[in-house]
Amino acid sequence: DGGITQSPKYLFRKEGQNVTLSCEQNLNHDAMYWYRQDPGQGLRLIYYSQIVNDFQKGDIAEGYSVSREKKESFPLTVTSAQKNPTAFYLCASSIAGGSYNEQFFGPGTRLTVL
Amino acid sequence: DQQVKQNSPSLSVQEGRISILNCDYTNSMFDYFLWYKKYPAEGPTFLISISSIKDKNEDGRFTVFLNKSAKHLSLHIVPSQPGDSAVYFCAASAGDYKLSFGAGTTVTVRA
Repeated sequence: DGGITQSPKYLFRKEGQNVTLSCEQNLNHDAMYWYRQDPGQGLRLIYYSQIVNDFQKGDIAEGYSVSREKKESFPLTVTSAQKNPTAFYLCASSIAGGSYNEQFFGPGTRLTVL
Repeated sequence: DQQVKQNSPSLSVQEGRISILNCDYTNSMFDYFLWYKKYPAEGPTFLISISSIKDKNEDGRFTVFLNKSAKHLSLHIVPSQPGDSAVYFCAASAGDYKLSFGAGTTVTVRA
């Protein structure tokens, strides 16, 4: 089945530790995105990538880093510089970049920093 | 600065009746609007969209209406079914890479 997988579903980390969230897609999509969802707020864009080896900051990139070495994979690292990392993280992909293309979402990873 | 607002956090409706979800936006550059549906512990899934050149788009039980002058759109679900119980997000695009999302409305369909 084609789709987007995110792992793990739940993640717990101690304050001050970096943590990497996985996102893999087998839809052959060029563009991939990372969003963060907090209670009572909409999804906010962290980073996006339109092609391999290229990515751009979204609205709330501070304290996060990404890489796009393969078309299928777009991992997100939450660094210790992120002031409030506890949130629900969603990865998405679309055929091409540009928001006229429907974005397909993964199931999300809930990160809790203790 | 939230450019897309869903002012009703929740909506409860009787099965078989109409659900109306509202969304307001402030950015006049938005020209494409989408609705996503999200179940607990799952990612959002695309439901329906509308371009600013239209004022209505229909897909089965789901209809989206756009009022550009009021910067307002609404999603109508008729008739509402128990499986429609979910969180609905309104999103808007100005044609660049970014979608701006509202905070979501939780719909509960009562039997």
